[in-house]
Amino acid sequence: KNQVEQSPQSLIILEGKNCTLQCNYTVSPFSNLRWYKQDTGRGPVSLTIMTFSENTKSNGRYTATLDADTKQSSLHITASQLSDSASYICVVSNQAGTALIFGKGTTLSVSS
Amino acid sequence: SQTIHQWPATLVQPVGSPLSLECTVEGTSNPNLYWYRQAAGRGLQLLFYSVGIGQISSEVPQNLSASRPQDRQFILSSKKLLLSDSGFYLCAWIGAREEGYTFGSGTRLTVV
Repeated sequence: KNQVEQSPQSLIILEGKNCTLQCNYTVSPFSNLRWYKQDTGRGPVSLTIMTFSENTKSNGRYTATLDADTKQSSLHITASQLSDSASYICVVSNQAGTALIFGKGTTLSVSS
Repeated sequence: SQTIHQWPATLVQPVGSPLSLECTVEGTSNPNLYWYRQAAGRGLQLLFYSVGIGQISSEVPQNLSASRPQDRQFILSSKKLLLSDSGFYLCAWIGAREEGYTFGSGTRLTVV
């Protein structure tokens, strides 16, 4: 069964600290993995997209990693800011592009 | 540039009343369009998707229906809302497969 599991479910950190969010998937055959940021009451916005051959991709203070062998991805946020408070959603696509499996997201709260 | 518009942003409707949520896309033609629902504490649930005018696929049997009267217009409807229809509804489109989803800003529906 195609599944995407994210952890932790929620996370609270102090401003300026780093954090890492995890995404494990069982989608097969795998095509790509995306991380989205969703602010409260808004639609998700794409942060990164990673294909099978990519191990690391950065977007500013966001760095995503992918281990296709263990089927794990992480999103590392450096020097967190209050505006990073949001839900982060991992989405995995199969090769045909016909199925996009969404994780339930990790809710990050950055406090001052 | 491609943009997606979704309205209204918030909606409070009584049980048994009808529903119509509209989504339009600009800057592209023949997009694949999607309706998702996001309930509190849960992931995104695919409701309907459409690959062209008049072509609707339903993922989850429920009290809702969708229509695509024009190439860049996707409508989510209900004849009689239930309390369980409350949630955050997102319209999305996908261009080239590697681009991923572009989401609308969402509609917060509260059925009272």
